[in-house]
Amino acid sequence: DTGVSQDPRHKITKRGQNVTFRCDPISEHNRLYWYRQTLGQGPEFLTYFQNEAQLEKSRLLSDRFSAERPKGSFSTLEIQRTEQGDSAMYLCASSPPGTGGSPLHFGNGTRLTVT
Amino acid sequence: DQQVKQNSPSLSVQEGRISILNCDYTNSMFDYFLWYKKYPAEGPTFLISISSIKDKNEDGRFTVFLNKSAKHLSLHIVPSQPGDSAVYFCAARAYNNNDMRFGAGTRLTVKP
Repeated sequence: DTGVSQDPRHKITKRGQNVTFRCDPISEHNRLYWYRQTLGQGPEFLTYFQNEAQLEKSRLLSDRFSAERPKGSFSTLEIQRTEQGDSAMYLCASSPPGTGGSPLHFGNGTRLTVT
Repeated sequence: DQQVKQNSPSLSVQEGRISILNCDYTNSMFDYFLWYKKYPAEGPTFLISISSIKDKNEDGRFTVFLNKSAKHLSLHIVPSQPGDSAVYFCAARAYNNNDMRFGAGTRLTVKP
């Protein structure tokens, strides 16, 4: 069972630099989500893809953030001009087709530290 | 706006006893509720769920109870085991809404 894979696991960057994270969902899952988690908080929704279409974006997702899923398989999340407030765990999740109650399957996340 | 609240940041129980984790929500449109467990350096792992048409769902040692009138759900773990020590997140989603909301988590410690 190959679960959701995220790369890299850790990223340290200087303020102002751009960073890109990758997520490979479970292969038969057409739905892909990005979440952000800060210390002491639960995951916060950032954006959602169904196949290659980005269908929802949180207002948390400022214009410095962009996500893509060009072929409906893996996804990338890019943060431009990083700020210290961007330091967080970035979690990717996927779920299978269908409506209603399907749990999200999370990857182990990418921990971003902006210095 | 925090629509899902876990008011207890931590809980400590003795091995073999019952663990009860609580969660409150404010959005009456939520109709699907889940519990996730998270170990350090790992992503959240799905544990158990319940839809709003039920008031109880059981899976082995884990039972989730839903009280819609009180907008409250709880997770019961019995008997608790040291390996259950983790952070537990409550989550909820409205029908046809892809924005799953999470509580801040409760850290459970099960002492041998």
